Amino acid sequence: QTVVTQEPSFSVSPGGTVTLTCGLSSGSVSTSYYPSWYQQTPGQAPRTLIYSTNTRSSGVPDRFSGSILGNKAALTITGAQADDESDYYCVLYMGSGISMFGGGTKLTVL
Amino acid sequence: QVTLKESGPVLVKPTETLTLTCTVSGFSLSNARMGVSWIRQPPGKALEWLAHIFSNDEKSYSTSLKSRLTISKDTSKSQVVLTMTNMDPVDTATYYCARILDRLRPNWFDPWGQGTLVTVSS
Repeated sequence: QTVVTQEPSFSVSPGGTVTLTCGLSSGSVSTSYYPSWYQQTPGQAPRTLIYSTNTRSSGVPDRFSGSILGNKAALTITGAQADDESDYYCVLYMGSGISMFGGGTKLTVL
Repeated sequence: QVTLKESGPVLVKPTETLTLTCTVSGFSLSNARMGVSWIRQPPGKALEWLAHIFSNDEKSYSTSLKSRLTISKDTSKSQVVLTMTNMDPVDTATYYCARILDRLRPNWFDPWGQGTLVTVSS
């Protein structure tokens, strides 16, 4: 069965840029999967960041951006801030009504 | 303002059936574009998509859990109900419901409910 892959953890310095990726164990991610990205801090419900590859949700700062890089979806944070320290999840639409989350990336800002 | 709120038992016993209700406000379950998904998260683990439903009663289920899940809605009550049979301790998780904003992109969830923690234990 196909698995959605994400880096388990990543670290970035304050003010730095980081790119998190979302891939498939078999095959390439394209815009047809409508990749979306969610941010979750401990004890909170996820917050929508990006949908349909690169569209920012209302109120999301423009330092968050989405794209396709090579064969993966990507979330780039430019000018990382301390409160960006969170778990980040991508979810792909696999077709036939099925959505699938990645395992999440724990981002540390230090 | 759009809100979703999950409700249901805090504790269920192994082999029992779990019934969760998502009560929505600020949008209608009869909206042809929108739907509602259920998503869960075991403690310390990743999110897992479970099921969704749209206004025309179109439903989809996680492949791995399909045999145990049933999703339904009561449009007049603005409620979406998820049942999961034969509960096991590994089903211990926070269960979220979330609005789907576009049926053509059913992985676009916004907003999410606050979630409800369900523990499976005898």
